[in-house]
Amino acid sequence: GAVVSQHPSWVICKSGTSVKIECRSLDFQATTMFWYRQFPKQSLMLMATSNEGSKATYEQGVEKDKFLINHASLTLSTLTVTSAHPEDSSFYICSATRPDRAYNEQFFGPGTRLTVL
Amino acid sequence: GQNIDQPTEMTATEGAIVQINCTYQTSGFNGLFWYQQHAGEAPTFLSYNVLDGLEEKGRFSSFLSRSKGYSYLLLKELQMKDSASYLCAVKEAGTALIFGKGTTLSVSS
Repeated sequence: GAVVSQHPSWVICKSGTSVKIECRSLDFQATTMFWYRQFPKQSLMLMATSNEGSKATYEQGVEKDKFLINHASLTLSTLTVTSAHPEDSSFYICSATRPDRAYNEQFFGPGTRLTVL
Repeated sequence: GQNIDQPTEMTATEGAIVQINCTYQTSGFNGLFWYQQHAGEAPTFLSYNVLDGLEEKGRFSSFLSRSKGYSYLLLKELQMKDSASYLCAVKEAGTALIFGKGTTLSVSS
């Protein structure tokens, strides 16, 4: 199988603070990781694509200075929500692709629920 | 532009068969995925189609027609645990996925 973990699973923070979310591929090396955001009863919206050792590619409308992504190794990508505000409250999910899989299947982490007060 | 359409909600009873449709309009096409997502959890992979036709995997089957920009997910012998959201996602060029809004399926006894 392919296991992707996220930490923390949930976090509550005060407005104006920064929150870091970690995404790890536990049993494979992931050259590419993705970060999604999901609001209640909405689908997953791709925020950015993260490749190991290079800058992340952000989707239109996603502020790169607010959502800092670091992909320092083949098994770890981090998303930092800087100066979080209540409208940033959402379910953040990462995924990773295995380069040895024929169709680049994405394996999803369990998600991180962020609540900003 | 990009557009992926699915019904918002569907209901069915245990033991029945349900078909969830997905139509898509994307600038590129490199495969279509179906994922299942229970509330508050991450999506789990169900199926992948890149060629026209039907892919069967146990109680779940997925169909693709590239010329029509159309796919469906067929669930047979429904169980209560099948109550979840079902997400249709298209892979354009590269590896990123574009997700539809999902179809919430409610299975009743």
